[in-house]
Amino acid sequence: GNSVTQMEGPVTLSEEAFLTINCTYTATGYPSLFWYVQYPGEGLQLLLKATKADDKGSNKGFEATYRKETTSFHLEKGSVQVSDSAVYFCALKDSGYSTLTFGKGTMLLVSP
Amino acid sequence: DAGVIQSPRHEVTEMGQEVTLRCKPISGHNSLFWYRQTMMRGLELLIYFNNNVPIDDSGMPEDRFSAKMPNASFSTLKIQPSEPRDSAVYFCASTSGDRQNTEAFFGQGTRLTVV
Repeated sequence: GNSVTQMEGPVTLSEEAFLTINCTYTATGYPSLFWYVQYPGEGLQLLLKATKADDKGSNKGFEATYRKETTSFHLEKGSVQVSDSAVYFCALKDSGYSTLTFGKGTMLLVSP
Repeated sequence: DAGVIQSPRHEVTEMGQEVTLRCKPISGHNSLFWYRQTMMRGLELLIYFNNNVPIDDSGMPEDRFSAKMPNASFSTLKIQPSEPRDSAVYFCASTSGDRQNTEAFFGQGTRLTVV
């Protein structure tokens, strides 16, 4: 079956630090990969996505590259802000009518 | 578009009572999902519909839970009778589910507390 594994949090950083949140996956097919973000008290919203090997998704300074050889989709940001404090979910979708499979989420806490 | 709309945002009920959560998906989306989020288990898929038909309800925890989608613009998740362990945030999401690369759009959730 499909699965997504994320690093456990919380990840605690100071403002302007570099961020990496690791994500690896197992899938039977050739999935599309997503990062969602959940701010306190809100629903999940799409942060970025990639649909084929070596694609790089990017948004709001965040980036992730689809690595088929290592089955990974690590999230990075060069300089985090306090407003980036949230829970980040890695997810995959391996066919048109399948559901999203989510990781357990990684909480990021950024201090001034 | 207003996005996925869920109601109520918060619900507090007593054990044994019936609870109904409501969801209006984004217009034109043909797949709808119900998720439950808790600290212990993270995000769990309860059920999903495609073109108003339930496709996979294997995540529904037990017979106390039921979900319906009478038309393309409305779905309900009902818990009867409710128990304290049902306390969680319940999310509805929708997508135009005919392509692999299409993302799901989430509502703001209903925070359910069963006392």
